[in-house]
Amino acid sequence: AQKVTQAQTEISVVEKEDVTLDCVYETRDTTYYLFWYKQPPSGELVFLIRRNSFDEQNEISGRYSWNFQKSTSSFNFTITASQVVDSAVYFCALDLINQFYFGTGTSLTVIP
Amino acid sequence: GAGVSQSPSNKVTEKGKDVELRCDPISGHTALYWYRQRLGQGLEFLIYFQGNSAPDKSGLPSDRFSAERTGESVSTLTIQRTQQEDSAVYLCASSFTAVTFSGNTIYFGEGSWLTVV
Repeated sequence: AQKVTQAQTEISVVEKEDVTLDCVYETRDTTYYLFWYKQPPSGELVFLIRRNSFDEQNEISGRYSWNFQKSTSSFNFTITASQVVDSAVYFCALDLINQFYFGTGTSLTVIP
Repeated sequence: GAGVSQSPSNKVTEKGKDVELRCDPISGHTALYWYRQRLGQGLEFLIYFQGNSAPDKSGLPSDRFSAERTGESVSTLTIQRTQQEDSAVYLCASSFTAVTFSGNTIYFGEGSWLTVV
């Protein structure tokens, strides 16, 4: 069964718009970590954020923010005032004991 | 180097030939992963090594795929009798993780782009 679901396959927004990327995960474990990675057109995967299951405090880093809600098993990622350089595929990942599970990714295109 | 290193970065091979892809993890990282990513697709888990434990091979798509790791260092992914469907980028990642639980960031290499013609 899919443990990480990114229902949005592709999203297009116009520059300066806000955009939220959804991530829903599935686990019975009480201890786990959640991650977001960015994959720009160049191909490398870039770590963005890590959040543990005991910390539901939302986080903001510049134009990026993350909303972690255990009640809905969601870890959504919002980019404020999007820029063309934000165009990439974004992956959400769940880290259980000894195994990472990746979502299928959301391809974001920011149109100038 | 400081990051995960993969070679070759690009490989074009004829259908039916064998290929070997190499991954040098970050020094000290006990966990090593191989993923496959076809064009426009998500990440597909292949295999996972953790220290001296038996590897998790549950993601290998067929018996043409195999991987080895020497201790906690270099890993080689081998694809025998390559098929056109094997064309993809093969990503290696490593992390420092305890046996019981990780929670540590995994770091990816730049990938090996394989094209089977």
